[in-house]
Amino acid sequence: GDSVTQMEGPVTLSEEAFLTINCTYTATGYPSLFWYVQYPGEGLQLLLKATKADDKGSNKGFEATYRKETTSFHLEKGSVQVSDSAVYFCALKKAGGYQKVTFGTGTKLQVIP
Amino acid sequence: DSGVTQTPKHLITATGQRVTLRCSPRSGDLSVYWYQQSLDQGLQFLIQYYNGEERAKGNILERFSAQQFPDLHSELNLSSLELGDSALYFCASSVSEGSYNSPLHFGNGTRLTVT
Repeated sequence: GDSVTQMEGPVTLSEEAFLTINCTYTATGYPSLFWYVQYPGEGLQLLLKATKADDKGSNKGFEATYRKETTSFHLEKGSVQVSDSAVYFCALKKAGGYQKVTFGTGTKLQVIP
Repeated sequence: DSGVTQTPKHLITATGQRVTLRCSPRSGDLSVYWYQQSLDQGLQFLIQYYNGEERAKGNILERFSAQQFPDLHSELNLSSLELGDSALYFCASSVSEGSYNSPLHFGNGTRLTVT
């Protein structure tokens, strides 16, 4: 079946450091890929998405590129802020009789001043 | 604000009891998803509805059931509660069944504590 694998957390970075959170997927067909962010005490929010190979999603300084050849969708940010501290989830969504959404286990990011 | 409303925000109950969690999807969204998030665990997909019909089941226990009503709001019923059912329960909605690239919109969740 479909699956999403994220790097283990927690990830602790100093403010202004470069961030990479790895995400790889296994799926048949051509899924759409998403990154969601969950701030403490809140639900998940869409951060960015990409719907086909080589698409780059971007938002709030975060970027991720849909790499079909490596089945990856790594999240990057050039300079993290304390306010980026949250849990990040990678997910895929496929077309079909119903919309099945598969989430990774989440990666907790802590940014220290 | 995602537009998805979940009530109540917090629920404390005893083992063996039954509770109902409610979700109002974003205006115009026909699909509703339920997820369970336990401490230090990821999101566990429970069940999905589309326009009143059950579409997919995940790791949902037999003690749990859900439905989506004609006005599209959804309820998740949890019965014979056990300590291990303590978790955050999220509802999410999506615009349609055919739009595979549309994201899910999540509510802020209901935190259930079983004592």
